[in-house]
Amino acid sequence: QQPVQSPQAVILREGEDAVINCSSSKALYSVHWYRQKHGEAPVFLMILLKGGEQKGHEKISASFNEKKQQSSLYLTASQLSYSGTYFCGTATAYSGAGSYQLTFGKGTKLSVIP
Amino acid sequence: DTGVSQDPRHKITKRGQNVTFRCDPISEHNRLYWYRQTLGQGPEFLTYFQNEAQLEKSRLLSDRFSAERPKGSFSTLEIQRTEQGDSAMYLCASSQRTRRAYNEQFFGPGTRLTVL
Repeated sequence: QQPVQSPQAVILREGEDAVINCSSSKALYSVHWYRQKHGEAPVFLMILLKGGEQKGHEKISASFNEKKQQSSLYLTASQLSYSGTYFCGTATAYSGAGSYQLTFGKGTKLSVIP
Repeated sequence: DTGVSQDPRHKITKRGQNVTFRCDPISEHNRLYWYRQTLGQGPEFLTYFQNEAQLEKSRLLSDRFSAERPKGSFSTLEIQRTEQGDSAMYLCASSQRTRRAYNEQFFGPGTRLTVL
């Protein structure tokens, strides 16, 4: 089932902060965050795993609430280059046999203006 | 540049024709994924390979779609008897197998398919 992202869109002025949320109705094993600019491929930002492991971009932080099956992406001191559509991709419980597909939300469009 | 590459970048075809796309993953990555993305939506999983084995296939993938990864390196995605509803961006991604079950997937630039 597709995770739900909020907000759908947000406009920021340079230097402002934003939070993008991703929630799932299923138990999650990991959450993956990507940014996609128009006409380009999604670019990996962050992966958060059940149990607290994280790996990702230095200037971007995120949290993963395993009890609530929610993740939030924190963008601080936004820059013009942060503009794009942010997607969360979720992976449900790892079966051991290998279910590696990600299910992506519909995205959050972030626009940073001068 | 050693990122994921896809060919062609754009394909226009007439309804009913067959098309084939190619994906070259990052060289040390043994996991390869195909996704489809339509306007305003996130990528939608199609299929997954570990080395040459196709381990997972979406239920949404009709029989007209087939994917191969014959030598565990590049992969091809073929769509037979294309329909207008197949128009989309087809994305390929690869990741490295480690002890961790999930690793970051790196996406290629995609192939944009337009079916007339």
